[in-house]
Amino acid sequence: DAKTTQPNSMESNEEEPVHLPCNHSTISGTDYIHWYRQLPSQGPEYVIHGLTSNVNNRMASLAIAEDRKSSTLILHRATLRDAAVYYCILRASIIQGAQKLVFGQGTRLTINP
Amino acid sequence: DTEVTQTPKHLVMGMTNKKSLKCEQHMGHRAMYWYKQKAKKPPELMFVYSYEKLSINESVPSRFSPECPNSSLLNLHLHALQPEDSALYLCASSHPLYGPGNTIYFGEGSWLTVV
Repeated sequence: DAKTTQPNSMESNEEEPVHLPCNHSTISGTDYIHWYRQLPSQGPEYVIHGLTSNVNNRMASLAIAEDRKSSTLILHRATLRDAAVYYCILRASIIQGAQKLVFGQGTRLTINP
Repeated sequence: DTEVTQTPKHLVMGMTNKKSLKCEQHMGHRAMYWYKQKAKKPPELMFVYSYEKLSINESVPSRFSPECPNSSLLNLHLHALQPEDSALYLCASSHPLYGPGNTIYFGEGSWLTVV
């Protein structure tokens, strides 16, 4: 399974943009890039996913490098509620309709007021 | 209703006890998952059920026994656990998927302490 590499921690200020990087140099052509986040004392929650093109949704934007070996999750205006561990995940495989998501170590994001 | 409900939220059990963790979803999802998460570590996949059949077992010790009695319910039966099995156990579900990325919905987890 292809692996992802993320910084252990990042810090930002409230109401500023945050760019969370992820390296996945061994990504295969069919691997989708997923981002999940885990708020304190909660289960992970879906943020965004993409394959080749940049993606936007109400939570964030995903910028994917042209060679797909890296991607960046962008929170346009961070709030204190965005403090969480952010996981960049390559969807490893699909078996009988079920996804095998393998979580990496993630980035712990701290937001300063 | 985009919710995965797990019970109990907290469980303390002795090493000789038998207990179960329960998970329920009513989103019509046919794939359900158990993950284990130790403190300050990422979730680790344990089991995956697809259409009520076990499709992935990540070499989990037999003291953990999953069960999927119907498409809405997923249980994790626990027996003769060790203190190192203390962790947050996360249940998740998703639609069956043969195409582009899809969302996996996680419950809030059951905190298990083995004494």
